[in-house]
Amino acid sequence: DAGVTQSPTHLIKTRGQQVTLRCSPKSGHDTVSWYQQALGQGPQFIFQYYEEEERQRGNFPDRFSGHQFPNYSSELNVNALLLGDSALYLCASSPRQGRIQYFGAGTRLSVL
Amino acid sequence: QQQVKQSPQSLIVQKGGISIINCAYENTAFDYFPWYQQFPGKGPALLIAIRPDVSEKKEGRFTISFNKSAKQFSLHIMDSQPGDSATYFCAASMDYNQGGKLIFGQGTELSVKP
Repeated sequence: DAGVTQSPTHLIKTRGQQVTLRCSPKSGHDTVSWYQQALGQGPQFIFQYYEEEERQRGNFPDRFSGHQFPNYSSELNVNALLLGDSALYLCASSPRQGRIQYFGAGTRLSVL
Repeated sequence: QQQVKQSPQSLIVQKGGISIINCAYENTAFDYFPWYQQFPGKGPALLIAIRPDVSEKKEGRFTISFNKSAKQFSLHIMDSQPGDSATYFCAASMDYNQGGKLIFGQGTELSVKP
């Protein structure tokens, strides 16, 4: 049983570019959450998707957007990249109303 | 009010010793308190979790102590091993209908010396 998988593992972009990160949830999970983890910090909640809709959102600008597909996989899009967007982006999945969130290994984004 | 405060920032323990990490919260709506372990280059992995109706939960060498009145909880790692060297995060969340998102502490970098 595969856990949460994320791609790509690493990504290097320049300021102003756009990026798309991908996540496949754990088998049997239908809820996907995205977190941003800056170096030396705890993860910060970006948003959560269920039934292909954004259900709740953290304190992140509109440059951060997402999508969930019918197979429950999800994408995180970031437009107009800033240097401060450099971080580890984590995807977590859970069953509907489940409290336990399982995390993927993350995508390391570097913005130059 | 949404914050979870974690201490210490770093911790060095001798092999076989007890590692203790503390967390405090303000929002009494939080009702689920997990601890995650993260190794370099990996995502956080759930270690153990507790709900506020329980004062203590033990799984192997890991124990969570919970003080509802003080709004504090802590992780104890007994007989600490070099393989326990990692960053530990406490977290808190409310039930799904109130959000369900995890609010993380700042993390504690644990180093267990042989």
